[in-house]
Amino acid sequence: GAVVSQHPSWVICKSGTSVKIECRSLDFQATTMFWYRQFPKQSLMLMATSNEGSKATYEQGVEKDKFLINHASLTLSTLTVTSAHPEDSSFYICSARGSAGYEQYFGPGTRLTVT
Amino acid sequence: AQSVTQLDSQVPVFEEAPVELRCNYSSSVSVYLFWYVQYPNQGLQLLLKYLSGSTLVKGINGFEAEFNKSQTSFHLRKPSVHISDTAEYFCAVITSSGGYNKLIFGAGTRLAVHP
Repeated sequence: GAVVSQHPSWVICKSGTSVKIECRSLDFQATTMFWYRQFPKQSLMLMATSNEGSKATYEQGVEKDKFLINHASLTLSTLTVTSAHPEDSSFYICSARGSAGYEQYFGPGTRLTVT
Repeated sequence: AQSVTQLDSQVPVFEEAPVELRCNYSSSVSVYLFWYVQYPNQGLQLLLKYLSGSTLVKGINGFEAEFNKSQTSFHLRKPSVHISDTAEYFCAVITSSGGYNKLIFGAGTRLAVHP
């Protein structure tokens, strides 16, 4: 149980275009979803927290107009990187948490490369 | 806000030797601690967690950790490592900010098991 999927697993896009990453909880209802960013050989940095049906809460320094997060249902959250640039290239990981407890379940990650 | 410090960025060890990966947390009344493992180009897998109760926590793959309140530590140990344990290990703590509980990660420790 407690499986989280991400799609796509990797994506290459051209500079200036937008790309959407999906995060789904497959066998539980995720009242809260989190988006992390990880640069090579570095730790995970929390970008934003989203609760189903409400606006996401962004961490300091994260551009909310660039990284659009939508959590429209209890099983799906999306991260859209708008007007992507090469510096947005990174590994993006989502996680999901149910209504009870503290444990987060992580997706397999999405490798974004902007050329 | 809570934080964790992983003192060792890399730990080389020979196969079948014991290993300890160190993690210290900032002191607080309530603390919830986790250890995750990340294999290359993959998401995070939960090894073990401490929420309350026994200070010695046993996890998957033969790992265990001990919660030490007086030393504010939560070190990860394994008595005999395998080549397959080569991975990045992250210590994490739950912190509350702005009404949300968030998982904050340490910088990570790269465990390299040599034959």
